Amino acid sequence: EAGVTQSPTHLIKTRGQQATLRCSPISGHTSVYWYQQALGLGLQFLLWYDEGEERNRGNFPPRFSGRQFPNYSSELNVNALELEDSALYLCASSLGATTDFYYEQYFGPGTRLTVT
Amino acid sequence: AQSVTQLGSHVSVSEGALVLLRCNYSSSVPPYLFWYVQYPNQGLQLLLKYTTGATLVKGINGFEAEFKKSETSFHLTKPSAHMSDAAEYFCAVSPAYFGSGTKLNVKP
Repeated sequence: EAGVTQSPTHLIKTRGQQATLRCSPISGHTSVYWYQQALGLGLQFLLWYDEGEERNRGNFPPRFSGRQFPNYSSELNVNALELEDSALYLCASSLGATTDFYYEQYFGPGTRLTVT
Repeated sequence: AQSVTQLGSHVSVSEGALVLLRCNYSSSVPPYLFWYVQYPNQGLQLLLKYTTGATLVKGINGFEAEFKKSETSFHLTKPSAHMSDAAEYFCAVSPAYFGSGTKLNVKP
C-alpha cells in the first residue's frame, strides 16, 4: 500500500512569491495535517483538514492557507514568501480524527522549501 | 490548550545503556499521547501511542512509555540502547502538537 506522498521534493522560490505544496494521503485516510519543520524548531503545527473541512489551525499568519479536495488530497499555499519560511514542510494523514478521538499519523517525506 | 515540553534537546548514551527521553504535556482534556522517531533524511514514524487503558505502553524496537497523569508525563525508555537507535524523537499530544524533539546519540 502506498504511503503518504508529497510533491515537489524541493522547491526554490524568491521572497514575495507564492508556493504551492501538495500531499496525497494513504488510501482510506480522511484527515490530513500540515507541519513546518524549521531548523532547530521542531514540528510546528500548521493546519488540519478532515472530510474537506479545516478542523484546526496553528499559530501561523493567514498567508499560510490550504484546502482538501474531495479525494482527500490536500495542498498548502504560502503567499508573500519570506526568508524565514524556508523549512521542511511535512504532511501527515490519519483515519478520520474527531475532537474526541485521534489516530496516529503517517508522515510523508516532506517538501524542502527554500526562499531566497 | 495543549502543549508538549521535551526536556533535553540532545541526549547521549553508551551502547547498551538505558535510554530515557523526557516528555511533559499540558492538556485541558484527556490526552492522546504519541512518540515518533525521525531518522536522518526521513519522515517521522510512530513508535508508540497512549489513548486509554493501560498506562504502560509498549512500542516498536523495544521502546516503551508510561503515562503518569499526576505528573503529566509520558517519558520514553529503552533498557539497552543500540547504535541504530540514533535518531530524533518527538513526543506529541492530540490533536497535533509536537515537542521540539530530542536527538539521541549512541556512543559505541
